[in-house]
Amino acid sequence: KAGVTQTPRYLIKTRGQQVTLSCSPISGHRSVSWYQQTPGQGLQFLFEYFSETQRNKGNFPGRFSGRQFSNSRSEMNVSTLELGDSALYLCASSLEASGRRRGLTDTQYFGPGTRLTVL
Amino acid sequence: AQKVTQAQTEISVVEKEDVTLDCVYETRDTTYYLFWYKQPPSGELVFLIRRNSFDEQNEISGRYSWNFQKSTSSFNFTITASQVVDSAVYFCARSGGSQGNLIFGKGTKLSVKP
Repeated sequence: KAGVTQTPRYLIKTRGQQVTLSCSPISGHRSVSWYQQTPGQGLQFLFEYFSETQRNKGNFPGRFSGRQFSNSRSEMNVSTLELGDSALYLCASSLEASGRRRGLTDTQYFGPGTRLTVL
Repeated sequence: AQKVTQAQTEISVVEKEDVTLDCVYETRDTTYYLFWYKQPPSGELVFLIRRNSFDEQNEISGRYSWNFQKSTSSFNFTITASQVVDSAVYFCARSGGSQGNLIFGKGTKLSVKP
């Protein structure tokens, strides 16, 4: 089975621009989560989508948004880029949506990430 | 916040040494999962293991072993006879974040020198 794929792998943008990142989950997985990884903050949860609906959202400003399509592929968008948005953006897929069973988040399988640099 | 702590920021060993990566977690949940992931320089987080809070049996997989102790809220990871290919950042995580997300530790960077 193919793993999680993310495109593009690398991206360079300038402040004020917007960017769209794409993620294709493992076949059969319907949940897609996005994380931002930076040296200072580590791995931080952005949001989760399941069945085309955003189920959960982390503590990020409204400039960060996402969506999921009927084939479970997901995109995240960052508008009005800031220097601090430079990070590795990781997408993860899982079979089940989180929160179905309290305390039990299904195993998440991660893609290779998109490294975004904002100049 | 209920966090995951990996106190060791960086560890350097010589090939064939055994190394243990520590992980201590906080949780108010009675049931939860614990995970270890490996992140090589390529950037992808590779899933290594998931343990259920019900199951405190140690697990061994080849050169890897995991010691889960609920009484001390620890889930340590040991690599036996380390190899250069083991060089990576290792993350411990637990389930049950307030948004249903995984909560990750800050990671331990392991360097295995030949």
